[in-house]
This record gives sequence, C-alpha cells and structure tokens, in this order.
Amino acid sequence: EAQVTQNPRYLITVTGKKLTVTCSQNMNHEYMSWYRQDPGLGLRQIYYSMNVEVTDKGDVPEGYKVSRKEKRNFPLILESPSPNQTSLYFCASSFGGDGYTEAFFGQGTRLTVV
Amino acid sequence: KNQVEQSPQSLIILEGKNCTLQCNYTVSPFSNLRWYKQDTGRGPVSLTIMTFSENTKSNGRYTATLDADTKQSSLHITASQLSDSASYICVVSGGNNDMRFGAGTRLTVKP
Repeated sequence: EAQVTQNPRYLITVTGKKLTVTCSQNMNHEYMSWYRQDPGLGLRQIYYSMNVEVTDKGDVPEGYKVSRKEKRNFPLILESPSPNQTSLYFCASSFGGDGYTEAFFGQGTRLTVV
Repeated sequence: KNQVEQSPQSLIILEGKNCTLQCNYTVSPFSNLRWYKQDTGRGPVSLTIMTFSENTKSNGRYTATLDADTKQSSLHITASQLSDSASYICVVSGGNNDMRFGAGTRLTVKP
C-alpha cells in the first residue's frame, strides 16, 4: 500500500530536549516536505527536499532541521524545542513540488512542548 | 495576508443537503489549484486538481469550479453524507515549490 508513515503520532516533551520525528514513504517520490498546522493558519511549509541531499527552507524553518540521506526518509529534527513549536506536524511526498502531482500526507504528529 | 482565503471558516448542514465552499486567491502566476479533504486526526487527501484551462471538474458528489479571471474557486458538495464532515483545504500552486494553503473550511454534517 502506497503510504507516508510518520512516527510518533503523539509526543509530549520538555523545553530544550532534542527530538526527531521520522517520515518514510514507499512511493519512490523525489519531493518531500514538512508542514506545521496551527488553528486558523492552515498548513505552513517548514522545509522541503527535491531529492537526496537536496534540502531547502520553507516559510517557517526557524528552530527546525532536516536531512535527506535516503530517498524514502525525511526526518524532522528539533534541536531545542520550545513551547511555540507545539503544533500538528505533517510530512508529505510527491513526484514534484509544483502541485501537478498529488501530495500524499502522513497521519500527522501532534507535538506538545511544555 | 494569506494569498489563499477560504470561506466560510465553518459550516453546519443537515445530511442530504448541498453546500458550497469558497476559495479566493491572489497567487500569481497561477499554475493549478487542488482541493483536499482532511478528516479529523488525519492527513489531507486530494479531491480534485484544476489547471488554468479548466473551469469545472467532478469527483463523485464533489464538483469544483475555477474562474481564473476572478481568481476564485468553489467546491460544491451534493447530497451531503455524515462522512463528508471534515476540513476542506484549497491549495494554489504558482509553480515549482510554491504551494499556498488556505486555512480550510470546517464542515459538519448533522443527521
């Protein structure tokens, strides 16, 4: 089954404790991206990757890091989480980043930073 | 200001009724527009995509329209079902890696 898998689904952590949210896709997509979703704001792009070892900042990259060492994996790293990073996070993948090809989203990770 | 505005923010309708959701955008240049459905606690799933030359497209009970001149799109849901309760998100693309998301319309269908 074609899918994007995120882990964990739920995470509560304390300020400053490094964490990683994993994302994996099995569709051989070149393009992967991370979004955060906050009430009333819609999805905002954090980082994206157009292929292995190619990553770039989205609209809200501060406080986040990513890596793309393999085509299927695109982890999101919070080196020192803060309460304003409490949000619902989605990973997505597609063949391209221009919207013509459908983006497939993971199930989401609800992160709470206390 | 968000380049993609959706209205209404939320909507409650009775099962079996029709409804129309609106999306206005200022994204330029325009490449394509997608409507996504997002069930509570899940990731968005694409319903339709429309390009500049298309002005209507259907997917079952969902019909999307696009007026590229006025930069408006609508999503019409016919004979609503309880399973239509979800958020509907309009996404406008201006080119490579330039996808702009609306904040969504939260639809509740009541029996």
